[in-house]
Amino acid sequence: QKEVEQNSGPLSVPEGAIASLNCTYSDRGSQSFFWYRQYSGKSPELIMSIYSNGDKEDGRFTAQLNKASQYVSLLIRDSQPSDSATYLCAVRDSNYQLIWGAGTKLIIKP
Amino acid sequence: DAGVTQSPTHLIKTRGQHVTLRCSPISGHKSVSWYQQVLGQGPQFIFQYYEKEERGRGNFPDRFSARQFPNYSSELNVNALLLGDSALYLCASSSLGTGDQPQHFGDGTRLSIL
Repeated sequence: QKEVEQNSGPLSVPEGAIASLNCTYSDRGSQSFFWYRQYSGKSPELIMSIYSNGDKEDGRFTAQLNKASQYVSLLIRDSQPSDSATYLCAVRDSNYQLIWGAGTKLIIKP
Repeated sequence: DAGVTQSPTHLIKTRGQHVTLRCSPISGHKSVSWYQQVLGQGPQFIFQYYEKEERGRGNFPDRFSARQFPNYSSELNVNALLLGDSALYLCASSSLGTGDQPQHFGDGTRLSIL
């Protein structure tokens, strides 16, 4: 059973601080990794995709991938109250299907 | 450009009934995937279609079926509805069907079974 694991949270972070979200996956054949943000009652929206080991930065967001450790993370710098949402990790497995984590609920405290 | 559109937005059905959900992908996208999301969980994969052919099927009973039309729009059909089918049904489109391209979601159809 291929799995994507995330800490369900809630993760509480003060406004202006760095929020760190983590995701581990079981399929070593996984090649593509995605972070989505989902506000309550809304559909997921893409934040970032990452395909190679290392860091990828986009504005306040940085995705980090370590395929050897089967670990992908998302850092949010200068966290804002509007960043409060559930963050979903999705991994493309060796069968070309997306496997989703259950999400981490992030709360940014003003 | 229009994003992924889904209809209807909300639906209330009773047990045993049948439902059809519709999805139009982003223009130029040839792959459509369907997901079921229950509160507090991540999306659960139901089907993927690419170029009108089924590319993948999740662990859902045969009461669930889908198809993709020549214009790449798609329908999800659920027969003999159960209370447990109450969920948010999400449609996502991507340019190809390999899973390497980001999927873009519609606003979803919220299905309630009474």
